[in-house]
Amino acid sequence: GAVVSQHPSRVICKSGTSVKIECRSLDFQATTMFWYRQFPKQSLMLMATSNEGSKATYEQGVEKDKFLINHASLTLSTLTVTSAHPEDSSFYICSARAGQGDFEAFFGQGTRLTVV
Amino acid sequence: AQSVAQPEDQVNVAEGNPLTVKCTYSVSGNPYLFWYVQYPNRGLQFLLKYITGDNLVKGSYGFEAEFNKSQTSFHLKKPSALVSDSALYFCAVRDGGDYKLSFGAGTTVTVRA
Repeated sequence: GAVVSQHPSRVICKSGTSVKIECRSLDFQATTMFWYRQFPKQSLMLMATSNEGSKATYEQGVEKDKFLINHASLTLSTLTVTSAHPEDSSFYICSARAGQGDFEAFFGQGTRLTVV
Repeated sequence: AQSVAQPEDQVNVAEGNPLTVKCTYSVSGNPYLFWYVQYPNRGLQFLLKYITGDNLVKGSYGFEAEFNKSQTSFHLKKPSALVSDSALYFCAVRDGGDYKLSFGAGTTVTVRA
């Protein structure tokens, strides 16, 4: 299957700083990328959807100024958690689709963010 | 609106026994159904999907799933479970005309030796 690489896999940052997470599709062009947040032993919560070259679409309740998403190319999307606080600590996962229709989404390995 | 229900939080089976993980769904249009597996501190790995065609779908690692339209179910099965199948399994659905995936709450599978 297609490969989606997410970096870093773990990050610890101080409260008030910003953290950038990268999501790359390695062997296909991703027209759409998705960012999820997962709390311990819970399902994935969709945060936002990004299409290359356009603004991300955020789900209700997700602060767009706090979670900045950029999808500058067909192989790269970034999520920046700005002014991070301990409650932002979570597991963040990206996924990417090659196109519309019956294309399945492929997931990155996730990023464990800990804000201290 | 679309949704997925995984009625079992946990499934425990002995190695070599059949494994079933249940999933029911609700969509307004045509369902596109998926199963993913997640190992600790890892992303999701795609197992299989149903879009159209045969109701029995075969996927990775010996898993299969059966689409049942009348029961709106898409249960995941494996005839003979392995200890290495122990993981968290997610069923997901999207309406054929939509792009968003809705995930179930997940089922933790434990296969004992």
